[in-house]
Amino acid sequence: DVKVTQSSRYLVKRTGEKVFLECVQDMDHENMFWYRQDPGLGLRLIYFSYDVKMKEKGDIPEGYSVSREKKERFSLILESASTNQTSMYLCASRGDLSSYNEQFFGPGTRLTVL
Amino acid sequence: KQEVTQIPAALSVPEGENLVLNCSFTDSAIYNLQWFRQDPGKGLTSLLLIQSSQREQTSGRLNASLDKSSGRSTLYIAASQPGDSATYLCAVLIYNQGGKLIFGQGTELSVKP
Repeated sequence: DVKVTQSSRYLVKRTGEKVFLECVQDMDHENMFWYRQDPGLGLRLIYFSYDVKMKEKGDIPEGYSVSREKKERFSLILESASTNQTSMYLCASRGDLSSYNEQFFGPGTRLTVL
Repeated sequence: KQEVTQIPAALSVPEGENLVLNCSFTDSAIYNLQWFRQDPGKGLTSLLLIQSSQREQTSGRLNASLDKSSGRSTLYIAASQPGDSATYLCAVLIYNQGGKLIFGQGTELSVKP
């Protein structure tokens, strides 16, 4: 079974703190993704990466950065957390771009910024 | 621009009923379509993937169909159970933009005992 794990299920941070969210997948997938999910807004793509050290902006990259130093690990960084970044953060991974590759999600991190 | 719509937004049924969830998309240039389940406060669980060349996929009590020409997919759940209560999302994998999944807003299903 594909496993996508996220470092924390719940996280509480203060405004202005630097926050790291870690994601690890064990299936040697090329592609990794970070989403946030908010009521009424659905899933929105923040950043994705199709290879080590490669990254692409998604739909809402402002206020975030990412790092992919190893194939299995994709980190989301909030340089200076703000209250409007309180959200559920979901990491996902997928094999190469083809019709038969499923996308798998981690359990999510509920981040609260006070 | 690809848009994915799910109708209805919410559905409540008594236990044992067969039900159909609908998903429509505007651009038929897709690699595949996935159905996911999400329980409150949890991540997404992949239920079924239908490749663009396929018409349907089955897993247990679930059957998903795909009609690319009309831009529609349905998820059929047979003999519903209270444990099926969750939000169901469909998503299409599109050709451009590096292979993004475009999600619908989901259907919140409640199965009453």
